[in-house]
Amino acid sequence: AQSVSQHNHHVILSEAASLELGCNYSYGGTVNLFWYVQYPGQHLQLLLKYFSGDPLVKGIKGFEAEFIKSKFSFNLRKPSVQWSDTAEYFCAVTFSGTYKYIFGTGTRLKVLA
Amino acid sequence: KAGVTQTPRYLIKTRGQQVTLSCSPISGHRSVSWYQQTPGQGLQFLFEYFSETQRNKGNFPGRFSGRQFSNSRSEMNVSTLELGDSALYLCASSNHGQGKSRSSYNEQFFGPGTRLTVL
Repeated sequence: AQSVSQHNHHVILSEAASLELGCNYSYGGTVNLFWYVQYPGQHLQLLLKYFSGDPLVKGIKGFEAEFIKSKFSFNLRKPSVQWSDTAEYFCAVTFSGTYKYIFGTGTRLKVLA
Repeated sequence: KAGVTQTPRYLIKTRGQQVTLSCSPISGHRSVSWYQQTPGQGLQFLFEYFSETQRNKGNFPGRFSGRQFSNSRSEMNVSTLELGDSALYLCASSNHGQGKSRSSYNEQFFGPGTRLTVL
């Protein structure tokens, strides 16, 4: 079955630390990839997306992600986190031929000031 | 543009009852998807509607159903509620599939959700 895995469920970092959140999917075909963020008390909003082209994607608020097809991965990175990055982060994938989004279980990030 | 709106925002029901949730997508969006969000499970896809037709379906029992109206507004119904149905139900709208390419993809925009508590 098609699935998305986020291996880090909870991450705690100090401000200015670097961040990398893992996302892997189980499908060998064409995919579209997304990272969404949910700040406390707010709606889910899109951080970045990958459809095709340059596998290094830049999003809002200094986030970026790299699509590595051979590893079925789309890891999210930020070189220096801020307290305001405290949120839950979700990786999502749509698989070729379907508009069905499959989400990972999410990673709760807490940034200590 | 107004965002995705969901009503009601909070609901408390008892086991065995049924509930209907409503979602109004962003103007011009014809795709509406529904998700169930619970701690530890993330977002579980329920179904997606496009132009009044269910286009995709997740792995939920038949107690969960939905529909979409000609103005793209969508409703989700859960019958015979169970304690395990307590969750945040999210609606998302998108204009994917509406571009020059019928397979065009685009991001989903999420509403604030309806928090359902089943007692």
